[in-house]
Amino acid sequence: DSGVTQTPKHLITATGQRVTLRCSPRSGDLSVYWYQQSLDQGLQFLIQYYNGEERAKGNILERFSAQQFPDLHSELNLSSLELGDSALYFCASSVEPAGDLETQYFGPGTRLLVL
Amino acid sequence: QQPVQSPQAVILREGEDAVINCSSSKALYSVHWYRQKHGEAPVFLMILLKGGEQKGHEKISASFNEKKQQSSLYLTASQLSYSGTYFCGTRRIGAGSYQLTFGKGTKLSVIP
Repeated sequence: DSGVTQTPKHLITATGQRVTLRCSPRSGDLSVYWYQQSLDQGLQFLIQYYNGEERAKGNILERFSAQQFPDLHSELNLSSLELGDSALYFCASSVEPAGDLETQYFGPGTRLLVL
Repeated sequence: QQPVQSPQAVILREGEDAVINCSSSKALYSVHWYRQKHGEAPVFLMILLKGGEQKGHEKISASFNEKKQQSSLYLTASQLSYSGTYFCGTRRIGAGSYQLTFGKGTKLSVIP
């Protein structure tokens, strides 16, 4: 158990809908990262938040947005869903500013199925 | 600037050894190795810092060749539990954030 929690575990919805994925980082971690993993694909970085502020942006679609709240939990909002958005969505957290040996710890993921 | 992993897939019998490579075209500050079982979260294995230091974790070890910007993961005397997809995540020198860029993964299957 990494200490990172994500809800829900599974989500089934229809095209055109909007969903919200939630992540709570490990205790003490200030940074949250969101990744998308499609079937048999690698981890595609979406976005990073640090202490409530957006820190880095990756291949995140305009239909997707995220935020990090004062209690450091984060939400990823996916709207106007398409079939191709079906994937595993992972949240990871780390301490930042990071020491040399710090890394990212992943949550269990949310499996999204768009029908 | 996604790192390139090789091989893409490998099948081993229990007790055999394997090497997984991760190469980058950019100067790296660190390389992070993870293992992911199907449908589960990636689990952190180890981190390699620039400087070529080799680290170990039981029968799994890794090295980082700074000149080549390549890291190698060594799995010795493989066990069934080693099966999964191995990802390397790289942190570039000069990157403003602690963002990791992951390779596409190497699928390792250990059979009896």
